[in-house]
Amino acid sequence: GAGVSQSPSNKVTEKGKDVELRCDPISGHTALYWYRQRLGQGLEFLIYFQGNSAPDKSGLPSDRFSAERTGESVSTLTIQRTQQEDSAVYLCASSLFRLRGGRRTEAFFGQGTRLTVV
Amino acid sequence: DQQVKQNSPSLSVQEGRISILNCDYTNSMFDYFLWYKKYPAEGPTFLISISSIKDKNEDGRFTVFLNKSAKHLSLHIVPSQPGDSAVYFCAASGVFNKFYFGSGTKLNVKP
Repeated sequence: GAGVSQSPSNKVTEKGKDVELRCDPISGHTALYWYRQRLGQGLEFLIYFQGNSAPDKSGLPSDRFSAERTGESVSTLTIQRTQQEDSAVYLCASSLFRLRGGRRTEAFFGQGTRLTVV
Repeated sequence: DQQVKQNSPSLSVQEGRISILNCDYTNSMFDYFLWYKKYPAEGPTFLISISSIKDKNEDGRFTVFLNKSAKHLSLHIVPSQPGDSAVYFCAASGVFNKFYFGSGTKLNVKP
């Protein structure tokens, strides 16, 4: 696709259930990020994938959160035993490592998944 | 340890006046800086960037200034318009192009 695609766009789940959020990055983008934004808050880093390197999981708030990425394509963020404080917009972004000639490029964001835990 | 900080969570400006959004960073290895704009219910979109070899980059009403010695960048919007009302995020990256984002500043431009 032309941009970063996230699904579902909205998800309402009951407390205690598991949820899986999906991100399709831009084709060829080796870097992929997950962030979340809780109501009235800023962007909170969750996890970063770069190529075949070990992911940077330093932002995951608890062991209920996990993420996987298959090669340089789709990523899934899984939240187990959801809690009300997990309610947020979950944003995925992807970027190239560097452009040819060393030129820099920006990260591109998806529209986000709005998760509501009731 | 937040490497990119936006210390003002909100800013209110009158239409037609200048909006100045500020951002500070701590990592001297950052060499590429960006500003993003986010409307409600949408993902952030890229606005403007600057490389560390420059101290200013201009694109229409938007200008980004970089002060490397102070590890500070700012975004100027002039003249401000009501459609500029959004949350603005600054971001920085280094040689590996991993992006670090600030927490955002909500700009309200009053008609």
